[in-house]
Amino acid sequence: NAGVTQTPKFQVLKTGQSMTLQCAQDMNHNSMYWYRQDPGMGLRLIYYSASEGTTDKGEVPNGYNVSRLNKREFSLRLESAAPSQTSVYFCASISGGEGSNEQFFGPGTRLTVL
Amino acid sequence: DAKTTQPPSMDCAEGRAANLPCNHSTISGNEYVYWYRQIHSQGPQYIIHGLKNNETNEMASLIITEDRKSSTLILPHATLRDTAVYYCIVRVIYNFNKFYFGSGTKLNVKP
Repeated sequence: NAGVTQTPKFQVLKTGQSMTLQCAQDMNHNSMYWYRQDPGMGLRLIYYSASEGTTDKGEVPNGYNVSRLNKREFSLRLESAAPSQTSVYFCASISGGEGSNEQFFGPGTRLTVL
Repeated sequence: DAKTTQPPSMDCAEGRAANLPCNHSTISGNEYVYWYRQIHSQGPQYIIHGLKNNETNEMASLIITEDRKSSTLILPHATLRDTAVYYCIVRVIYNFNKFYFGSGTKLNVKP
């Protein structure tokens, strides 16, 4: 049981390049999330997926797109990377429903945009 | 969504209780209070949550005021490994389980 996995762990992009961050969970959770964390700051919600087939914007969605490929996988795409998107990106999941207590986080992807 | 206010940093002596406050004065009746912590640059870790009653688990205790406008996370015997950023979150419990993190409190446990 790997929990939440993210790939890649590190990435350096040039301005204007595109890339997709991958996230997968093996806990059969319904809801999945993408956050970004800038140096010295808290986490900000980019997008979330309440259940398979649905996605919605969080606090800071501009410059990103997401795909909930299936129940396990939730990807985050940067179409044209900008230096302001340099950050650590965390994926998380939760089983969903009012009784859900714990959001499980992946190890993060450290992205630098030059 | 209700917002939270936390002090940016706190110090605590090793072995003493750490009391971390959180203000959530605009919380509504069906919103829970959650606490997470983040050690170094790892992903955040769940600690505890509550609605209106005080809660305790193996990690911490959560005290929520009667009017629910504030809460306190208590680590009864802080260790150096408890040095982390602690986030107080008010959870929207509609259909989508959104979690909004604030800036948190950096707890420094000192020997």
